[in-house]
Amino acid sequence: ETGVTQSPTHLIKTRGQQVTLRCSSQSGHNTVSWYQQALGQGPQFIFQYYREEENGRGNFPPRFSGLQFPNYSSELNVNALELDDSALYLCASSLGPATGELFFGEGSRLTVL
Amino acid sequence: ELKVEQNPLFLSMQEGKNYTIYCNYSTTSDRLYWYRQDPGKSLESLFVLLSNGAVKQEGRLMASLDTKARLSTLHITAAVHDLSATYFCAVGSNTGNQFYFGTGTSLTVIP
Repeated sequence: ETGVTQSPTHLIKTRGQQVTLRCSSQSGHNTVSWYQQALGQGPQFIFQYYREEENGRGNFPPRFSGLQFPNYSSELNVNALELDDSALYLCASSLGPATGELFFGEGSRLTVL
Repeated sequence: ELKVEQNPLFLSMQEGKNYTIYCNYSTTSDRLYWYRQDPGKSLESLFVLLSNGAVKQEGRLMASLDTKARLSTLHITAAVHDLSATYFCAVGSNTGNQFYFGTGTSLTVIP
């Protein structure tokens, strides 16, 4: 059974640039959620994707957007990067949109200079 | 918005001692999760608590849930160095599609 995989693991961008983060869900999981974890904080919900559509969104601006593909993998896109976007971005997959336990990937650490 | 508070935020304890981490949340939910995070790593699922009075144990860790008090506890028995990590509780939203995480408890076990 393959777990949740994310890429890239680390990346550095400058203010105003755009970034795309990728996530492959665990085998058998059709739902992907994205979380942002700032240093020293708990993860914060960005959004969830189910059946290739956004299924719930946290308190993040529209420059945070996402996609889910037919194979259930997902992308997180962030436009017009700001310094405060520096964080660990965690992808989590689950058996369904409201079926409980989340399984997290290793994360993508984004630094914005 | 559902609020989740953990205390203490930092915990330094000697090996062999017992301690409890508390997780309070602000609105009704019957889904509570505990995760462990090592520095620079992702979140590892420890416990899933889905009903009032649920108690689960794994090794030196035991978690419980009181939905009426909106409180979960993570009890550490006879701590060992390998338990040093940050522990998060997370509460599932009533719509089911979002987890609200606490700020975490950074645990250091001293020999």
